[in-house]
Formats: sequence, C-alpha cells, structure tokens
Amino acid sequence: AQRVTQPEKLLSVFKGAPVELKCNYSYSGSPELFWYVQYSRQRLQLLLRHISRESIKGFTADLNKGETSFHLKKPFAQEEDSAMYYCALWNFNKFYFGSGTKLNVKP
Amino acid sequence: GAGVSQSPSNKVTEKGKDVELRCDPISGHTALYWYRQSLGQGLEFLIYFQGNSAPDKSGLPSDRFSAERTGGSVSTLTIQRTQQEDSAVYLCASSSSGSVPYEQYFGPGTRLTVT
Repeated sequence: AQRVTQPEKLLSVFKGAPVELKCNYSYSGSPELFWYVQYSRQRLQLLLRHISRESIKGFTADLNKGETSFHLKKPFAQEEDSAMYYCALWNFNKFYFGSGTKLNVKP
Repeated sequence: GAGVSQSPSNKVTEKGKDVELRCDPISGHTALYWYRQSLGQGLEFLIYFQGNSAPDKSGLPSDRFSAERTGGSVSTLTIQRTQQEDSAVYLCASSSSGSVPYEQYFGPGTRLTVT
C-alpha cells in the first residue's frame, strides 16, 4: 500500500535558519512526488514536483529512493515561508497526501 | 481567468440528511479530483475524473458517497444519510493533464458540519 509520512506536525525555526521538512513514502515502483503548500487564508497550491528538479521560492526536494524520502529543504527560512506543507505521492490515478507539517518561521 | 470554485462554502446539516457539494473546475481542465480533509488530518483522496473516462471511485469511503461529472465540466459530490464522521472540509481540484497531474488547482473547499 502506498503511504506518505510526515513525522513532524509542527516545525519552528528562526528567520535565516535552514529548514528541512521530512517526508517518507512507501511505494515499490518509481514514485511521482510533490510538495504542496497552503499559506494562511489561501488555497492549497503546488510548490514543486520531483520530476521537474526545480527550485521554487528557494525550496528544493531531492528524491532518495534508497531511503524512500523526499525531504523539502531551504537554506535560509523567511517569515513568509510560514505555512502548512503537504507531501504527496501520485500513483495509478490516486494522490496520497501526508498529514502535513506546519512551518512557523519566527522573526 | 477564474479559478476552481466550490459551493456552498459552508454547509450545516442534520445527521441522516443528504447533501450535494458542487465543484466548477477551471475551463478546459480535463481532470477533476475530490478530497476530504478532516480536522487535523491530511487530505484523503476520494475520486478522480479524467475526461469522459469512467471515474476511479475506489477512494470513496462508503456507498453513501457518490460523484458525478456532467459534460466533462461541473462535478457534484453527494453524501447520502450523512453521519457525524462526514464532517470535514471537502476540496475539489482540477488539472489540465490527467495522466500525471502536473499541477492541481484547488478550490476553496466546502466545510461540511453534520449535527
């Protein structure tokens, strides 16, 4: 069964500090993985997808098949990064979302 | 252009009543998804429509849940004989590519409360 685990419900860091939001998945094939973000009073939106190998708003995520992880990283957190972050896996017409991590960047 | 819209934004219903939730996807988007987000939980995938193909209903939690998509556009999620555990935010999303959803655009959600 496909599963996505985000072990941290809340992550607090100071502005300028590095941040890593953890995501682990269970899937036997080649997964399609995504990070979604929901800022306060806004809709859920795509942040980045692993297939594109992109960096969005300074965030990157590397797929590690050996560790079955897709952690989201940013070297210097900003206050505007405070939001809920969801890791998601796509397989056979279904999305599997993690339970989300709330990132709080303190001034 | 307009984004994904959902109606109503809030719905309070009594246990045992039926409810209908509506989703208007972005024009031209062929794929449409329904999710449920219960308090403190992640998003639970419910159903996926791609074009005129038969939907994948395997994520629907019980036979009280059903969904339709008319004319490849508007979709309605119906919950019959609502139960208190159906209380949640129901999210709809659409995308222009169905085989791998390059980007889903989410609606604002419908908050359903079953009393």
